[in-house]
Amino acid sequence: QVQLEQSGAEVKRPGASVKVSCKASGYTFTYYYIHWVRQAPGEVPEWMGIINPNGGDTKYAQKFQGRVTLTTDTAASTAYMELGSLSSDDTAVYFCARGELLPHLDYWGQGTLVSVSS
Amino acid sequence: DIQMTQSPSSLSASVGDRVTITCRASQSISSYLIWYQQKPGKAPKLLIYGATSLQDGVPSRFSGSRSGTDFTLTISSLQPEDFGTYYCQQSYSLSYTFGQGTNLEI
Repeated sequence: QVQLEQSGAEVKRPGASVKVSCKASGYTFTYYYIHWVRQAPGEVPEWMGIINPNGGDTKYAQKFQGRVTLTTDTAASTAYMELGSLSSDDTAVYFCARGELLPHLDYWGQGTLVSVSS
Repeated sequence: DIQMTQSPSSLSASVGDRVTITCRASQSISSYLIWYQQKPGKAPKLLIYGATSLQDGVPSRFSGSRSGTDFTLTISSLQPEDFGTYYCQQSYSLSYTFGQGTNLEI
């Protein structure tokens, strides 16, 4: 069965970076895009970006351009999201999800809570 | 960015009721509209894509429709497990923005 297993919760200081992993199983990793979506407590989900594991092409929401980097390790069927220059506004649950170029996100990871506090 | 305006923001209904949630786009997005259901502490669940196409495994009581820039999610006969927050999302432009959500209480 398709599963996306994310890394555990993180606590970071303002100005630091965080890297969240998303390990895929149950399907051919390179056949689907991986999207990243975050959701601050009590807020609306926010789409961050997309990566094509077949070749590594990425697209980012303008809000996160220059601050987020999406990568994959196809040998490990794992996607990564790195977000830099963290502030308290980045405190949120970060989700990876499987989809196509359009965000028809049919399988999601369990989410990773990133807390940013001094 | 394309703005998505959902209504109502909250809704209380009874089992068996017909429920309708509306989402309006700030500009034309053709049929590039997705609906999700989210329960507390869980990831969103894909219900409808392309405004009207039912995702595999989603009960047929869920349906979607479009009229211009207005989109509707309908639950034909509400079931107890349908509680949660419903979001629309536009998949027309790269910001892929979400609506503000509708909290559905049974």
